[in-house]
Amino acid sequence: NAGVTQTPKFRILKIGQSMTLQCTQDMNHNYMYWYRQDPGMGLKLIYYSVGAGITDKGEVPNGYNVSRSTTEDFPLRLELAAPSQTSVYFCACGGAQYNEAFFGQGTRLTVV
Amino acid sequence: AQRVTQPEKLLSVFKGAPVELKCNYSYSGSPELFWYVQYSRQRLQLLLRHISRESIKGFTADLNKGETSFHLKKPFAQEEDSAMYYCALTTGGFKTIFGAGTRLFVKA
Repeated sequence: NAGVTQTPKFRILKIGQSMTLQCTQDMNHNYMYWYRQDPGMGLKLIYYSVGAGITDKGEVPNGYNVSRSTTEDFPLRLELAAPSQTSVYFCACGGAQYNEAFFGQGTRLTVV
Repeated sequence: AQRVTQPEKLLSVFKGAPVELKCNYSYSGSPELFWYVQYSRQRLQLLLRHISRESIKGFTADLNKGETSFHLKKPFAQEEDSAMYYCALTTGGFKTIFGAGTRLFVKA
């Protein structure tokens, strides 16, 4: 099993551009999460989903959108990219038992 | 509001010395607490969870509801323990938030 797969691994965006970070999981877990990791700031929750068709804002949702049309996929959309969105983005999924989160390898995004 | 605080950004100890990584949380409900570890060039992964009361790689953590703490401890640090450690809290709504992390550096 691949677990949680994120694409792309790296991306450079210009200010004002938009893009979608892809996340897919083959673990059949209901819960999925998007985090951003800034140096010295740890992981901040952007959005999360407890199941297909349900999404909720996390700690830092501004500037992002998500959708969850299937159990497997949880894409993160950036509209009008800004330098403040330069970060490493992690997608994770979790099951109901024990609530352990399984992480993807991350996407390093630079906005210039 | 829920919050996880890890007061130390960096902790440096000698090999064989005891180590304690501090974690305090703020949550009005019944918390589920975890420690995650990120080794160099690897994915973030679960180290241990409070509900299991287990010891993983020699690490233990006890939930102290009175002090709202979940400190991670190991009696004898090893060089391979050098990594980034994150304390995490999951709420009843399955929202999982993380602390800022503590980088542990174990010197030979």
